[in-house]
Amino acid sequence: DVKVTQSSRYLVKRTGEKVFLECVQDMDHENMFWYRQDPGLGLRLIYFSYDVKMKEKGDIPEGYSVSREKKERFSLILESASTNQTSMYLCASSLISGQISPYEQYFGPGTRLTVT
Amino acid sequence: AQSVTQLDSQVPVFEEAPVELRCNYSSSVSVYLFWYVQYPNQGLQLLLKYLSGSTLVESINGFEAEFNKSQTSFHLRKPSVHISDTAEYFCAVRRRNAGNMLTFGGGTRLMVKP
Repeated sequence: DVKVTQSSRYLVKRTGEKVFLECVQDMDHENMFWYRQDPGLGLRLIYFSYDVKMKEKGDIPEGYSVSREKKERFSLILESASTNQTSMYLCASSLISGQISPYEQYFGPGTRLTVT
Repeated sequence: AQSVTQLDSQVPVFEEAPVELRCNYSSSVSVYLFWYVQYPNQGLQLLLKYLSGSTLVESINGFEAEFNKSQTSFHLRKPSVHISDTAEYFCAVRRRNAGNMLTFGGGTRLMVKP
C-alpha cells in the first residue's frame, strides 16, 4: 500500500514564526502536492512538484514556499506564519500520468495548524 | 479555468435510506472525474473515478456515480447508506493540460443517522 506520512497531526505556532511541514511518501512517486483544506472551500492547491528540485505554484502560493531535495520528501514552509494560515494542510503524491492508476492522488492524514 | 460545484454542503440522511451527492463541473472538453472520501480525522481516499468508457462507475462499498456529459454532472449515489458512510465527500476534476493536478469541489458532509 502507498503510504504518505506527515510529520505532525497537530501544530500550534505563533504569528511571525517560520513553520516547516514535512511530507514523506514511500512509493517512488514523481508528483507531490500540498493543499490546504478549509470548511466550504474544499481543497486548494498551494504548490506542486513533479520532480526533485522542481516546483510549480498552485492556486494560493502567497505566503508559502516549498522544498523538494529528495524524491520522497516534500516540505511546505510558512516563512512568517499569520493567523489566516490557520488551516488543515494535506500532502498528496501520485505517479505521473499515463501509468497504472493515472491521476490518482494518495493523501497523508493531514496537519492541523493553528497560528495564534 | 475549470471549477467544481458541490451543491450541498451537508446531507443528513437516515440509515438504510438512499442518498445522492451532487457534483457539477465546468468544462467544454473531455474530463477525468473523481470522488474522494474523507473519514473523520483521516486523509482523503479515492472512492471512484471516471476516465473513459462506461459512464456508470462503481466503488467496492456500494457507491456509484454517473458521468453525464450533457449536464456536466457526476453525481454520487448509494441505494442504502450505513452509519459507517458518515464522512465528507469531495468531487474533483483533472485539470486539462496540467499534468496530474486536480480541482476539488467544496465538499459535502454526509451525516447518517440511526
